[in-house]
Amino acid sequence: QVRLQESGPGVVKPSGTLSLTCAVSGGPISRGNWWSWVRQAPGKGLEWIGKISHVGSTTYNPSLKSRVTISVDTSKNQFSLNLSSVTAADTAIYYCARGVGYSPPAFDSWGQGTLVTVSS
Amino acid sequence: QSVLTQPPSVSGAPGQRVTISCTGSSSNIGAGYDVHWYQQLPGTAPKLLIYTSNNRPSGVPDRFSGSRSGTSASLAITGLQAEDEADYYCQSHDSSLSGPHVIFGGGTKLTVL
Repeated sequence: QVRLQESGPGVVKPSGTLSLTCAVSGGPISRGNWWSWVRQAPGKGLEWIGKISHVGSTTYNPSLKSRVTISVDTSKNQFSLNLSSVTAADTAIYYCARGVGYSPPAFDSWGQGTLVTVSS
Repeated sequence: QSVLTQPPSVSGAPGQRVTISCTGSSSNIGAGYDVHWYQQLPGTAPKLLIYTSNNRPSGVPDRFSGSRSGTSASLAITGLQAEDEADYYCQSHDSSLSGPHVIFGGGTKLTVL
């Protein structure tokens, strides 16, 4: 059973870059799935950030595309999120998730989530 | 404001049946993209509940079912139980100039009376 675990700073300064990593265990990240980041602002709904394949092909949310970079490191079995020029509106719980098959992929495994607060 | 529209809240008594709608358009559900549903219990990560409109992952009770028609999809819960109280989200793709991208509905809070 695959497991995902997010890690990274809990506080980021305004205008800075938010950087998170998702460690995947229980199976190789190169198994041909899609790997995504999803966030949830306090008291709000889910917002998809972007996805990456094991070979590095990416798709991003058009509303965040100019600030987002998702990368994968198959040697470490992990993938990462960079979100630049953050503001208070980027304060949220950030989840990593595995997407399987279909169009869109169904997210069948999720990390527990990590709260990132943008504050000086 | 989400591209997929869900009612903010629904409620029902134990044992009753409730439905949650997910209304889209010709650029998402109406374009034939798959629809998935998630359940999010308070303080936890979302959990895949229904995939490709009407399929349940292993372990999800058959009290949960999904359907779709035209530009909309629905989640039905029968034999409502207290443990079903949660937020529910639909998910699909939406077409754009840069290609299809994942979208979520705004979420529906289910209250078991």
